[in-house]
Amino acid sequence: KAGVTQTPRYLIKTRGQQVTLSCSPISGHRSVSWYQQTPGQGLQFLFEYFSETQRNKGNFPGRFSGRQFSNSRSEMNVSTLELGDSALYLCASSSQGGISYNEQFFGPGTRLTVL
Amino acid sequence: GNSVTQMEGPVTLSEEAFLTINCTYTATGYPSLFWYVQYPGEGLQLLLKATKADDKGSNKGFEATYRKETTSFHLEKGSVQVSDSAVYFCALSDQEYGNKLVFGAGTILRVKS
Repeated sequence: KAGVTQTPRYLIKTRGQQVTLSCSPISGHRSVSWYQQTPGQGLQFLFEYFSETQRNKGNFPGRFSGRQFSNSRSEMNVSTLELGDSALYLCASSSQGGISYNEQFFGPGTRLTVL
Repeated sequence: GNSVTQMEGPVTLSEEAFLTINCTYTATGYPSLFWYVQYPGEGLQLLLKATKADDKGSNKGFEATYRKETTSFHLEKGSVQVSDSAVYFCALSDQEYGNKLVFGAGTILRVKS
């Protein structure tokens, strides 16, 4: 079974631009979560989508948004990029959503550099 | 809110040495606890987990026990190898949204041959 794939793997943008990152979950998985990883703040939860609905959102400004399609693929968008948005963005998929933890499988990440 | 604190690194050990990476947490209720590992250029891999107090998670020679009384989940391995060099993250799951993970800052482990 193929793992979680993220595209692109590397991205360079300039301040003020916007960017869209893509995540394809493991086949059959319906939950997709996004995390931002930076040297200063570590790993922080951005949001989770389950069956095309955003279930939970972390403490990020409205410039960060996402969506999920009917095939469970997910995209996240960052508008008006700032230097501090430079980070590794990780996507994780799991089979279910809900109160109980469901094992999450992480993709390799997209490395975003904002100049 | 929920939080995880783990020992700062880097931790540098010689091959076959004993490893301990400390992790403590703050949470309401009883979250599930995890150790993830990240190798250079890769995403996170689940190393082990424990879902209730006194549970011991184990995998690939690594172990950690869920200690409710000390709110700890320390990672141990009896004999490390060079291939264990990586970044290790302690994490807990949010009690309301199980798929939301709260991570510690990560500990870099370097093993010398």
